[in-house]
Amino acid sequence: DAKTTQPNSMESNEEEPVHLPCNHSTISGTDYIHWYRQLPSQGPEYVIHGLTSNVNNRMASLAIAEDRKSSTLILHRATLRDAAVYYCILIPFGNAGNMLTFGGGTRLMVKP
Amino acid sequence: DVKVTQSSRYLVKRTGEKVFLECVQDMDHENMFWYRQDPGLGLRLIYFSYDVKMKEKGDIPEGYSVSREKKERFSLILESASTNQTSMYLCASSLGGLNTEAFFGQGTRLTVV
Repeated sequence: DAKTTQPNSMESNEEEPVHLPCNHSTISGTDYIHWYRQLPSQGPEYVIHGLTSNVNNRMASLAIAEDRKSSTLILHRATLRDAAVYYCILIPFGNAGNMLTFGGGTRLMVKP
Repeated sequence: DVKVTQSSRYLVKRTGEKVFLECVQDMDHENMFWYRQDPGLGLRLIYFSYDVKMKEKGDIPEGYSVSREKKERFSLILESASTNQTSMYLCASSLGGLNTEAFFGQGTRLTVV
């Protein structure tokens, strides 16, 4: 199974952009790149996903490298409420169901 | 709003007891998941179901079983609870196919004494 590598923690100042990196050098052609985040004392929540092209939604942007071996989650203006653990996950499409397996994630700390 | 509801937020059980953790989703999702989360170990997949009566083992199925008799309900069973099963348990569901966004419940913090 393709694995992802993320830094254990990152720090950001409030109101500044945050770039959260993820390496997935063994990604296969049918793997979707997903990002989830987990706020304190809550279950994880979906943030964004993509396959090859960059993606934007109301929460964040996802920039995917041309060779798909890495991706970056971009929070355009960090707020204190964005302090969470962010998980980068590869989900293979085409198998029976879509198994969702988490790695260690990046703990984002946001300073006022 | 999609809702994944776990039956209890907090649970205390004795060693050796049979424990049922229930999860219900209201969006007709195909896939359902059970995870446990422990400090320093992150989220680990216990079992996964992609259809009624279908199940797949995750990374740590030992000591657990599951039941999916109806599409909306996925139960995690600890046949004989042990103290090393004290953990936060999280249930999730997703539609499946091209739509892989998963929705999580609030979690059940289980303490086995």
